[in-house]
Amino acid sequence: DGGITQSPKYLFRKEGQNVTLSCEQNLNHDAMYWYRQDPGQGLRLIYYSQIVNDFQKGDIAEGYSVSREKKESFPLTVTSAQKNPTAFYLCASSIGLQGRNEQYFGPGTRLTVT
Amino acid sequence: AQKITQTQPGMFVQEKEAVTLDCTYDTSDQSYGLFWYKQPSSGEMIFLIYQGSYDEQNATEGRYSLNFQKARKSANLVISASQLGDSAMYFCAMREGRDAGGTSYGKLTFGQGTILTVHP
Repeated sequence: DGGITQSPKYLFRKEGQNVTLSCEQNLNHDAMYWYRQDPGQGLRLIYYSQIVNDFQKGDIAEGYSVSREKKESFPLTVTSAQKNPTAFYLCASSIGLQGRNEQYFGPGTRLTVT
Repeated sequence: AQKITQTQPGMFVQEKEAVTLDCTYDTSDQSYGLFWYKQPSSGEMIFLIYQGSYDEQNATEGRYSLNFQKARKSANLVISASQLGDSAMYFCAMREGRDAGGTSYGKLTFGQGTILTVHP
C-alpha cells in the first residue's frame, strides 16, 4: 500500500538534545512538507521541499533543519535552538506544486521535551 | 490578518442530520484552491474535498459538499446524513497561486479548525 510513514509515533527527549523525526513516502511524490500542530490549533508550515536536494523555509523554520537526499525521505531535526519543541509534527507529500495538488499526510509524531 | 477563518470552535449535530462548517478566506490571488481536511482523535489528516477558484460548480464528494461563494470569499463544508464517525476536528485550508516571491510552491494555510461532535 502506498502512503506516508512517520516514526516514532511518540518521542520523548530531554531539553538541550537534538532529535530527528523520520518521514518516508512511497507515493512517488515530488513535494514534501513538515507541519507543526499545537493543541487546539491549525497546522503551521516548518519546511518544504519541491525536489531532491532542495528545500525551503516555511513560516516557522527557526530551530529546525531538514534534508532531502532521496525522493522518498524528508527527515526533520528539531534542534536545541527550538524554544518550545513540544508539539505534534505532521509530514505530508504531494505530486507537485501545480494544479489541485492535495497533500497526503502521515500519522504524525508527538514530541515531548522535558 | 488571518487568511483562513473558521469562526465555529465547536459544533454539535444529531446523527443523520446535515451540518455546515463555516470557512472564510482572504486572498488577492485569482488562482487558488480550497481544501477541507478531517482530523480524528488519532491525529492523522484526511483529505475530504477540493474546490478550485475557477471551478464553476460546487465540489461534491459523497456526503461532503462545498458551498463555494466566491464573491463572499466563503467555502463552507456541508456534511449530509451525519454519522458518529464524523466526530472529529475539521480544517479548512487554502493554497494560493504564488508566494510573495512569485513562486508557486503549494503551501497550504490552515484555519484554526472546528470540532464536530455527532450525537446519537
